[in-house]
Parts: sequence; C-alpha cells; structure tokens
Amino acid sequence: GNSVTQMEGPVTLSEEAFLTINCTYTATGYPSLFWYVQYPGEGLQLLLKATKADDKGSNKGFEATYRKETTSFHLEKGSVQVSDSAVYFCALRQGGKLIFGQGTELSVKP
Amino acid sequence: EAGVAQSPRYKIIEKRQSVAFWCNPISGHATLYWYQQILGQGPKLLIQFQNNGVVDDSQLPKDRFSAERLKGVDSTLKIQPAKLEDSAVYLCASSYSSYEQYFGPGTRLTVT
Repeated sequence: GNSVTQMEGPVTLSEEAFLTINCTYTATGYPSLFWYVQYPGEGLQLLLKATKADDKGSNKGFEATYRKETTSFHLEKGSVQVSDSAVYFCALRQGGKLIFGQGTELSVKP
Repeated sequence: EAGVAQSPRYKIIEKRQSVAFWCNPISGHATLYWYQQILGQGPKLLIQFQNNGVVDDSQLPKDRFSAERLKGVDSTLKIQPAKLEDSAVYLCASSYSSYEQYFGPGTRLTVT
C-alpha cells in the first residue's frame, strides 16, 4: 500500500545552519506530495506542496523537489531560525486521502 | 476567515468511559476529516465526510468509534467505551475541494 517514510528525529541545529529532512514514499501512480508543519500546541499547517514530477514547492525559505526516480521529497532550508522549531510531516495524497509520515522534530538553538 | 474549531482541547477519562469531540469546520467547506495522531506517529485518517455523507471510514474502529455530521456542518466523534490505546490527539480538518486541508488545533485525549 501507499506509505511515507521520514528520517528519524529529533534533529537539533544551530541557528543559520542548513536543514535537510529526508522523505521517501511508496505509491502506485503519481501522488501529490506535501510538507506540513506543526508548531507546539497548534494544528498542522501546509508548508509546501508539489503535484507532479520535478515540481519544486517552496514557502518561507523552505524548498522540496518531487523526485519520481528516487521517490523522494526532501525538505531543505538554507538557514534555519529558532522560530522554525516544530514537527515536520511529509505526506502524500492519492484519491483524496492524505497519508503522513511519522514526523520529524526540529529544534533550533540560538 | 475563522479556522477549524475543536473542543475540548484536552480530555482525561478512565478506560471504559465514553467521550465526545466536537468540530466546526471552516464556513463553506464541504469535506470534513477526523484524524487520530498517536504520540510519535503521523496523523491517520479515521473518517471523511462529504457534506453529511461518509466517503471513507475504512480505518474507523466501528465497534467503539462513531462519527456524525448532521446538516453537513459541525461534526462529532465519539468513543465508547474508551481503551488505553485510544490516548492520542484527535484532529479535525476541512477542505473546500478535496485538495488542501485545513487543520484544527486538535483534542488531546488521555485514557487512564
């Protein structure tokens, strides 16, 4: 069946460091891919999305590219801030249904 | 625009008791979802409504969980009787089309 696998957390970085959170997926067909962010005490918010191969989603300095050949959608940011501390979820959408990875907790220290 | 509202935010109950959660979606959103998020895991879809009809409830434990969406607006999710393994955050989301979903803050349930 369809599934999403993310790198284990927690990830701890210093402010202004480069961030990569790996995400790979298994799916039939061509799903849409998403990154959601969950700040402490809040619900999930859509961070970025990509709907077809080679699409790049971007928002708030975060980027992810839909790589069909490697079935990946890795999240990157060139310079993280303390305010980026949150849990990040990779997800795929197929047939109207969202399937999430287990989440990766990011902690950014000043 | 008001977001998805959920209540209560926190609930502690003993096993075998019953509990209900309420969700008010964004105005005009026809599709409503309930997710269960167990600590350390991603959200898992329990049930999806389109207006007041059920689209997908394949992962809803129907022996103890029930959900309704009367009049195609608000929704209630009920657990009766609760088990220890039901401890989780219950998230409600809504969408205008079946594309971008907007999530509420969730209800954290602890079953002791």
